[in-house]
Amino acid sequence: AQSVTQLGSHVSVSEGALVLLRCNYSSSVPPYLFWYVQYPNQGLQLLLKYTSAATLVKGINGFEAEFKKSETSFHLTKPSAHMSDAAEYFCAVSDRTGGFKTIFGAGTRLFVKA
Amino acid sequence: EAGVAQSPRYKIIEKRQSVAFWCNPISGHATLYWYQQILGQGPKLLIQFQNNGVVDDSQLPKDRFSAERLKGVDSTLKIQPAKLEDSAVYLCASSFSDGDTYEQYFGPGTRLTVT
Repeated sequence: AQSVTQLGSHVSVSEGALVLLRCNYSSSVPPYLFWYVQYPNQGLQLLLKYTSAATLVKGINGFEAEFKKSETSFHLTKPSAHMSDAAEYFCAVSDRTGGFKTIFGAGTRLFVKA
Repeated sequence: EAGVAQSPRYKIIEKRQSVAFWCNPISGHATLYWYQQILGQGPKLLIQFQNNGVVDDSQLPKDRFSAERLKGVDSTLKIQPAKLEDSAVYLCASSFSDGDTYEQYFGPGTRLTVT
């Protein structure tokens, strides 16, 4: 069965610094991978998705993620953090063995310091 | 394009009471999902509908939870009777299809507190 592990429940960066949120997945077949963002009292919004095309995926708000099969990772990065990036970020995986049901990680809360 | 609508946004009930949540998906979206998000955790799928049929309800506690999607549009999730551990945010999402690459669009959620 597929699973997702997000390393670090909380990450704090300074404004303008690199953002790196880590995600490792487990899947016995080629996975589909997603990053979602959740702002307080709101639903989740898709940042980007990997669906077996280019391994470097660019999303909204300057975020990108790289699929690394050898490391079973799909880390989310942004070169320069902005105060508005403070939110909860969820990595998710789905594959055909699970009927494409989406499995979410526990989430990483990003804090941005001025 | 209007997003996924959910109501109420907040609900406080006592244990053993019943509660119902409503969801209106994006127009034209055939697939509808209900998730439970407990504080500090990621969303967990409770039930998935394709039109008005159930695709997956393997993690729905069927002794107390029920859901329906009449006419393949709106959906209602009910809890009866509620337990303290049901305190969570209940998220509704919809997608154009149940295909693997289709994005899920989430509503704002209903925050349930059971006292």
